[in-house]
Amino acid sequence: AQSVAQPEDQVNVAEGNPLTVKCTYSVSGNPYLFWYVQYPNRGLQFLLKYITGDNLVKGSYGFEAEFNKSQTSFHLKKPSALVSDSALYFCAVSQRYSSASKIIFGSGTRLSIRP
Amino acid sequence: GAVVSQHPSWVICKSGTSVKIECRSLDFQATTMFWYRQFPKQSLMLMATSNEGSKATYEQGVEKDKFLINHASLTLSTLTVTSAHPEDSSFYICSASARTGMNEQYFGPGTRLTVT
Repeated sequence: AQSVAQPEDQVNVAEGNPLTVKCTYSVSGNPYLFWYVQYPNRGLQFLLKYITGDNLVKGSYGFEAEFNKSQTSFHLKKPSALVSDSALYFCAVSQRYSSASKIIFGSGTRLSIRP
Repeated sequence: GAVVSQHPSWVICKSGTSVKIECRSLDFQATTMFWYRQFPKQSLMLMATSNEGSKATYEQGVEKDKFLINHASLTLSTLTVTSAHPEDSSFYICSASARTGMNEQYFGPGTRLTVT
């Protein structure tokens, strides 16, 4: 069975500082990994995905994530946080790469950027 | 591109009544649509997967007779919560995958259901 863990319920960072939101996964075979962001009372917005190739994936709004197979991690990072980055972030994993594949979400990490 | 809409955005209904939520892909054809529910401060839990023209596949623990899903066309799926109870109050989110084979799911803005 596939699963994804986000060990931190909340991450607090000062504006301008680098941020990291942690994610580890468990899946048999090659994982397909995603990050989504959710603003209050809104649906999810896609940030980035890892399918294959370069372990460092760049996404929207200056975010990037690094796929680490040996540590089964896919941490989300940004070099310089903005107050507007404050939101709920979800890591997700899929076992297959197809339009009908089930995506399993982590529990979410609330990111709070203080001015 | 790849916009998914949901209607209504919020609804309040009385216990025992049924509520229908629509999910539409506005600018692409969605072979597969997914329905999730999200409780406050929790993650999205997949309820069911629906493919156009066939019966939905429900996740374990989700009552198919209570949460009726219809995917009648490549741009529309509906979720009907039958005989709603206060414990059905939640944020319901749909997503759609395009038939190109890419695994990106495009999410709707969600529908907040409150059952009184």
